[in-house]
Amino acid sequence: EDQVTQSPEALRLQEGESSSLNCSYTVSGLRGLFWYRQDPGKGPEFLFTLYSAGEEKEKERLKATLTKKESFLHITAPKPEDSATYLCAVQVGGGADGLTFGKGTHLIIQP
Amino acid sequence: DADVTQTPRNRITKTGKRIMLECSQTKGHDRMYWYRQDPGLGLQLIYYSFDVKDINKGEISDGYSVSRQAQAKFSLSLESAIPNQTALYFCATSDFRQGRYEQYFGPGTRLTVT
Repeated sequence: EDQVTQSPEALRLQEGESSSLNCSYTVSGLRGLFWYRQDPGKGPEFLFTLYSAGEEKEKERLKATLTKKESFLHITAPKPEDSATYLCAVQVGGGADGLTFGKGTHLIIQP
Repeated sequence: DADVTQTPRNRITKTGKRIMLECSQTKGHDRMYWYRQDPGLGLQLIYYSFDVKDINKGEISDGYSVSRQAQAKFSLSLESAIPNQTALYFCATSDFRQGRYEQYFGPGTRLTVT
């Protein structure tokens, strides 16, 4: 069974305090790993797709990396507007097409 | 205008009622999906559609049905709503024909079954 585990469940940082969120996965035949941002009461907003170990993607203060067992979302010098829940999801190859999501990391950046 | 829209945005209904949630997209994507989100749980896939003629069950399809009326429209029905179907429902799309696997989500429908 495909599994995605995110840690920590919640993280509180001071503005400017860099940190990393973890997503570990157990799947057979990874097609892609995805990071999303979700604000309260809204739909997930796509951030990154990673396809193979060693791949990295960057967007503003966020950087996503991928190994064969886990992915990290690094946040550098965060601002209060980066506060949100960050979701990790995987998609496997073959006929099925949905995403398997982790439960998310709730990130709070305090001014 | 939003690329993926969902109606209604909020709905309160009673146990046993039939209800339909609708999703429309202007992105021109071929694949569409329905997910539900419950507090403390990840999003779970209900149904997905490769195109108008191809509908597939996800991991939690019991109690739900779907219809792909056109490439741009995908509706989710609860034939006889029950309280444990109270959740946030999201529609999503992907441009699989172009080799893009990421999914784009709508704003969600908050459904309460009393």
